[in-house]
Amino acid sequence: DQQVKQNSPSLSVQEGRISILNCDYTNSMFDYFLWYKKYPAEGPTFLISISSIKDKNEDGRFTVFLNKSAKHLSLHIVPSQPGDSAVYFCAASDSYSGAGSYQLTFGKGTKLSVIP
Amino acid sequence: DADVTQTPRNRITKTGKRIMLECSQTKGHDRMYWYRQDPGLGLRLIYYSFDVKDINKGEISDGYSVSRQAQAKFSLSLESAIPNQTALYFCATRSRDRGDDNEQFFGPGTRLTVL
Repeated sequence: DQQVKQNSPSLSVQEGRISILNCDYTNSMFDYFLWYKKYPAEGPTFLISISSIKDKNEDGRFTVFLNKSAKHLSLHIVPSQPGDSAVYFCAASDSYSGAGSYQLTFGKGTKLSVIP
Repeated sequence: DADVTQTPRNRITKTGKRIMLECSQTKGHDRMYWYRQDPGLGLRLIYYSFDVKDINKGEISDGYSVSRQAQAKFSLSLESAIPNQTALYFCATRSRDRGDDNEQFFGPGTRLTVL
């Protein structure tokens, strides 16, 4: 039973256009959501996060939107650049589970290719 | 220097062998985690530790054991490796504080192949 779902294994976008990566979750207890970016032969690196008390968070070219009623979040990258080509993982956390363990539940990832 | 380091970076071993993967961090974090990643799958939690005296099983702990030798070191062992343990293994750390980002910091990974 997958609690965090990224239904698009891959996405191709032209340089300069918008990239939209989607993520759905099923666990209503999740209250923090994070996006990680992963290049080949490297560990995932944190990109941006959002708390369930917000519906939008921006950081430069990256914006995450959260729709709690739909249990859906999305990552927008504008404008997309070739260096953004990577695998993007959506992750969710239930802050109160495990007495502060801050476990993350990850989606399967979406491979973004930005075409020059 | 990297904040979270993993050794070895690559390892090929045979079925039935014992193998240890090591993780060290200089971030001063108390929470440490071990994940595995398989092709087409996300990262799945194997074990996590709050501090030296606290070890907890994650989603897929069967076939694995861990040791928290110090705050900065967290080792993952496969007592008798099997081919379906072939995967990418990542160590991660997090501070005790509940910051807005709730971020975990990952090491570069160990690619393990069990023949």
